[in-house]
Amino acid sequence: DIRLTQSPSSLSASVGDIVTFTCRASQNIDNWLAWYQQKPGKAPKLLISSTSILQSGVPSRFSGSGSGTDFALTISGLEPEDFATYYCQMANTAPDSFGQGSKLEIK
Amino acid sequence: DVEMVESGGDLVQPGRSLTLSCAISGFDFRTHWMSWVRQAPGKGLEWVANINKDGSEKNFVDSVKGRFFVSRDIYESILYLEMTDLRVEDTAVYYCARTYEPTRGLDHWGRGTLVTVSS
Repeated sequence: DIRLTQSPSSLSASVGDIVTFTCRASQNIDNWLAWYQQKPGKAPKLLISSTSILQSGVPSRFSGSGSGTDFALTISGLEPEDFATYYCQMANTAPDSFGQGSKLEIK
Repeated sequence: DVEMVESGGDLVQPGRSLTLSCAISGFDFRTHWMSWVRQAPGKGLEWVANINKDGSEKNFVDSVKGRFFVSRDIYESILYLEMTDLRVEDTAVYYCARTYEPTRGLDHWGRGTLVTVSS
């Protein structure tokens, strides 16, 4: 099975900062990668799919990039509501595994 | 509006069975793959299973193969997850989620239902 490894596991940042999370797949997954945001006690929310396609209603400060095995989620100009945990997920072949998550905390 | 509501979570003993339901409204259930995702307390997300549009293809994570079964009732618009031989490590919030076909992202989620496996 393909494994996804996210880094960093946690990150402290301030409002207005630019932050980047990475997700590395153990095998080529082309562009079949999605990113989710989850806040405590809530269901995950799809932010980006197919590596870089922004979901409707998601602010343009979120962007995704990469291909093959290396992917990134960048938030350009953190807002207070962005402090959450972020997960990547592959979707090219079952099992559609998630990464272990990256927690974004306020500095 | 799309709405997905899970139910059936409970406290059960190891080795017992439980069936979760996900009632769907606001979209044509027959036109989307559907998934189950779980989250153990304080842990990350784990993809559990999915099922294709007509129920003819099903996939499972290795840890539940042979114990969990997924099905869908297209007439009632309900997604099911039948869980047998439950283990302590199956304790989690279970979410149902809809697949957005062009990109395969999970674009709508229910609020989840808690399954606790404990003696």
